[in-house]
Amino acid sequence: QKEVEQNSGPLSVPEGAIASLNCTYSDRGSQSFFWYRQYSGKSPELIMSIYSNGDKEDGRFTAQLNKASQYVSLLIRDSQPSDSATYLCAVKLNYQLIWGAGTKLIIKP
Amino acid sequence: GAGVSQSPSNKVTEKGKDVELRCDPISGHTALYWYRQSLGQGLEFLIYFQGNSAPDKSGLPSDRFSAERTGGSVSTLTIQRTQQEDSAVYLCASSLKSRVAGESYEQYFGPGTRLTVT
Repeated sequence: QKEVEQNSGPLSVPEGAIASLNCTYSDRGSQSFFWYRQYSGKSPELIMSIYSNGDKEDGRFTAQLNKASQYVSLLIRDSQPSDSATYLCAVKLNYQLIWGAGTKLIIKP
Repeated sequence: GAGVSQSPSNKVTEKGKDVELRCDPISGHTALYWYRQSLGQGLEFLIYFQGNSAPDKSGLPSDRFSAERTGGSVSTLTIQRTQQEDSAVYLCASSLKSRVAGESYEQYFGPGTRLTVT
């Protein structure tokens, strides 16, 4: 069974600190990886996509991919209260995205 | 440009009634996806369209659920004889489909339709 695993949290991080979110996946054939943010009562919003091993930075966000270890992570620097949300990891396999259940992140002022 | 739109935003229906949910994808996006999200739960894949074809209907929960897409654009998800367990937020997403290896299939979501079956 193809799975994407995330710690459900909640993960509590002080404002200004680095939030680290992790995701592991089971299928080695996966090629593309995505992080979405979902505020309560809203639909998922794409934050980052990553396709190659290593780091990809976009503003305060850094996605990290390690295909050998089958994990992908998201770092949020200088965390803000507005970053409080559920973060969903999604892994592309063939045409479909396989979704993790999400990690709830709480940024404490 | 305009994003994915869905209608209605909220729908309350009585058990046993049929409902139709509509999705209008981003212009030029050939792939369209339907998901369901129950309160506090993750995304449940329902069906995928490439153009007007649905190569994968495996996620549809029962034969009460059906979907169609016309003109490679608007899609309608129909739930017949609704049950209380159908209550959820129904999300639609669209993406470009590329034949280039390694190209992203970034999905963009609409605001969802909140369905409540009483």
